[in-house]
Amino acid sequence: QQQVKQSPQSLIVQKGGISIINCAYENTAFDYFPWYQQFPGKGPALLIAIRPDVSEKKEGRFTISFNKSAKQFSLHIMDSQPGDSATYFCAASGFQKLVFGTGTRLLVSP
Amino acid sequence: NAGVTQTPKFQVLKTGQSMTLQCAQDMNHNSMYWYRQDPGMGLRLIYYSASEGTTDKGEVPNGYNVSRLNKREFSLRLESAAPSQTSVYFCASSPTRGYGLFFGSGTQLSVL
Repeated sequence: QQQVKQSPQSLIVQKGGISIINCAYENTAFDYFPWYQQFPGKGPALLIAIRPDVSEKKEGRFTISFNKSAKQFSLHIMDSQPGDSATYFCAASGFQKLVFGTGTRLLVSP
Repeated sequence: NAGVTQTPKFQVLKTGQSMTLQCAQDMNHNSMYWYRQDPGMGLRLIYYSASEGTTDKGEVPNGYNVSRLNKREFSLRLESAAPSQTSVYFCASSPTRGYGLFFGSGTQLSVL
């Protein structure tokens, strides 16, 4: 079954700290792994994405780490800011399907 | 650049009433989707349209119907609303199925 398991469900980080959200997938046919950021009252927005042929992708303070052998990938938010407080969804795409994790609610305290 | 536009933003229905959620995209995308979002459940796919003229069921299609009116528009219809359909509904579009989804701002639906 095509599933993506995401943890933790919620996360509180102090300003300036590192936020880490983890996801694991089952189907090795997935070939695209995006992360979406969602603010209250808004739709999810694509934040960053990675293909399985690279182990890491960095865009500003956001980094995806990808471990193909373990079928795991994670989002790291460096120097976390209160404005990063949002819900984050990982996802995996393949066979023309996109499967979402259940989301992580991040709160960055001032 | 409107992107994906959904209407209405809020709606309250009584059990048994019907309604149609409208969605339009101006990015010339081929694929369009309807998701529902419930606390702790993430985003669940209701229906999708891989290209104009085609529609297929997603993970939770029961109680819903869709119409891909043209390349721009994809509507979701609740024929007889039930309290279990209380949720936030998101429309999305992408150039190709499953990659690079752009989401609308959502419709908050309450069924009493």
